Amino acid sequence: EVQLVESGGGLVQPGGSLRLSCAASGFTFSGYWMHWVRQDPGKGLVWVSRIITDGSRTSYADSVKGRFTISRDNAKNTLYLQMNSLRVEDTAVYYCARDRGNYYGHGAFDIWGQGTMVTVSS
Amino acid sequence: DIQMTQSPSSLSASVGDRVTITCQASQDINNYLNWYQQKPGKAPKLLIYDASDLETGVPSRFSGSASGTDFTFTISSLQPEDIATYYCQQYENLPFTFGQGTKLQIK
Repeated sequence: EVQLVESGGGLVQPGGSLRLSCAASGFTFSGYWMHWVRQDPGKGLVWVSRIITDGSRTSYADSVKGRFTISRDNAKNTLYLQMNSLRVEDTAVYYCARDRGNYYGHGAFDIWGQGTMVTVSS
Repeated sequence: DIQMTQSPSSLSASVGDRVTITCQASQDINNYLNWYQQKPGKAPKLLIYDASDLETGVPSRFSGSASGTDFTFTISSLQPEDIATYYCQQYENLPFTFGQGTKLQIK
C-alpha cells in the first residue's frame, strides 16, 4: 500500500524548534519530488516547501524561508522538515505530500500523509 | 503570488443535484490547476489534475473544465459521500497556491 506517515509534531514555545518526519512506503520514494503543506486550524491549505528527487534543489514559501529546512534521506525513505524560530502563526496541521510526477515534478499532490499537529504557544 | 479566488465559500444541495464550484486565477496559469476533496479530519484527496484530467479511481461524476483564467469543478449528481470541502490549487508558479475552499453540505 502506498503510504506516507508523519511524526514529530507537538507543542513548542515561540522561538523553539521541531523536526517533522514523513516515512514513505509502497512506492519508490527516491523517484518523486515531495512537498510539505500546512493547514491552520479550521482554515485553508498553504504550500510550505518542495524538494526534488535527489534533494539538490529546494523551494520555500516566503513565510518560512530562512527558518524551515526541507530534506530527505532516500536510503531511509524519509522526508524531513526542520522548523526553527517557530512563531505562533506556524501553528497548523502539517502534511507531507507526494508530487504526482515521476522523476519530474508535476505540481499535483497525489498521496498525502495523515498530518501532524504543530502548536506554537507559550 | 498567484491568487486563486474560489466561489462559493459554501453551498447546500440535494442528493442528485448538479453542483458547480468555480475558481479564478489572478493571471494566466496555463491550465495548471488541480482540484482536491477534503473530508473532516482527513487529508485532502486529489480528484482532478491539469484542469480536467480525472485522477485514477475517482468517480466519473466529478469533472473539471477551463476557460482562460476561469476554472469550473462539477459534480454531475451529488452523492451523500461527496460532503466535504473542495479546494482548487495552481502550480504554474511557486509558491503553489490554493483557493479558500468550498464547503459542500447536503440540503
